[in-house]
Amino acid sequence: GIQVEQSPPDLILQEGANSTLRCNFSDSVNNLQWFHQNPWGQLINLFYIPSGTKQNGRLSATTVATERYSLLYISSSQTTDSGVYFCAVEPNDYKLSFGAGTTVTVRA
Amino acid sequence: EAGVTQSPTHLIKTRGQQATLRCSPISGHTSVYWYQQALGLGLQFLLWYDEGEERNRGNFPPRFSGRQFPNYSSELNVNALELEDSALYLCASTKGQPIMNTEAFFGQGTRLTVV
Repeated sequence: GIQVEQSPPDLILQEGANSTLRCNFSDSVNNLQWFHQNPWGQLINLFYIPSGTKQNGRLSATTVATERYSLLYISSSQTTDSGVYFCAVEPNDYKLSFGAGTTVTVRA
Repeated sequence: EAGVTQSPTHLIKTRGQQATLRCSPISGHTSVYWYQQALGLGLQFLLWYDEGEERNRGNFPPRFSGRQFPNYSSELNVNALELEDSALYLCASTKGQPIMNTEAFFGQGTRLTVV
């Protein structure tokens, strides 16, 4: 099956800092999503981004499908940004496959 | 518009028992996915249902099974529970195939504890 690698596995930030999370995938995909998992386990949709660039407030994402990677940018981080960020891709078998996640800790 | 809803929120079972978890998709969504997330781990794909049929299955034993009803809600059954089945079980729904935008939305999960 498709391989999804996220980096870094852990990220510790000071409040106000900027950061970049990366997602590499091993095959072509129909769909790519970024999620934030809150402390209660709920997966919050951040971006549906099979290609191109999107922005939503302090968050933005870019997917370069031809090079099989996606980036999630967090600017001016806040303590509420803490949690696990997952990248998920949907290859041709229509099975949404997740990376292992990046655990982000933002310190005040 | 209601999101994906799962019930129960928490479930405690004894080893060897059966557990039944339920999921109601977003209105208009026909596909339902089930994932298992053991403590501290990523999401492992369990099952995918679309239009009432099982379309794909992850690498789990047959005691993990489910079904999708005519109203597109779904049920996950886990038989002969083992301690390692303790996990957060997440359900997601999408508009189904073949549609270009298949953005998945997740429910809040069912936390299953096997004692």
